Amino acid sequence: NAGVTQTPKFQVLKTGQSMTLQCAQDMNHEYMSWYRQDPGMGLRLIHYSVGAGITDQGEVPNGYNVSRSTTEDFPLRLLSAAPSQTSVYFCASSSQAGAYNEQFFGPGTRLTVL
Amino acid sequence: GENVEQHPSTLSVQEGDSAVIKCTYSDSASNYFPWYKQELGKRPQLIIDIRSNVGEKKDQRIAVTLNKTAKHFSLHITETQPEDSAVYFCAASMGTGGFKTIFGAGTRLFVKA
Repeated sequence: NAGVTQTPKFQVLKTGQSMTLQCAQDMNHEYMSWYRQDPGMGLRLIHYSVGAGITDQGEVPNGYNVSRSTTEDFPLRLLSAAPSQTSVYFCASSSQAGAYNEQFFGPGTRLTVL
Repeated sequence: GENVEQHPSTLSVQEGDSAVIKCTYSDSASNYFPWYKQELGKRPQLIIDIRSNVGEKKDQRIAVTLNKTAKHFSLHITETQPEDSAVYFCAASMGTGGFKTIFGAGTRLFVKA
């Protein structure tokens, strides 16, 4: 199993550009989520999904869109990038089954918006 | 809204000493409390977790305690080692299936040899 994969690893954008951060998991997990990590602010939840076709907003959803057309993929779209979106982005997945809700994180995408 | 506060933000201990990190949460519906460790440049990884029907859980040198009434939970690391140096995050999960997870701001632990 590859676990949770994210592409790209690094990205530099200009203000106003759009792009999609890709996230995929091969563990058949129902739950997937996107976080951004900024120095001193921990991991903040952007959007999450409890299954294909179902998404919801987290703590900091503005400026980001998501969709979940398959169980495996959960892309994050930046519609018009702003310098405030410079951050490290982590995707995570977890299973609904059982008593444990451990989230498995991808390796992260480091995004810089100029 | 939901909030998780974590203290201290930085903690420095001598090798062999204990380290304690404390968190409080705001949503009484929270039912799952994981702790993640993140080494520099790496992804967060789960080290221990506790559910709301348990008061304490231990795994070798690490232990977590939960006080639901006070909405407090803590991470205890005994006999610290230099490889314990990392950023530690507490989190609280709420919502159906305990999935929507809110993280604390993190504690940077330094263990001095």
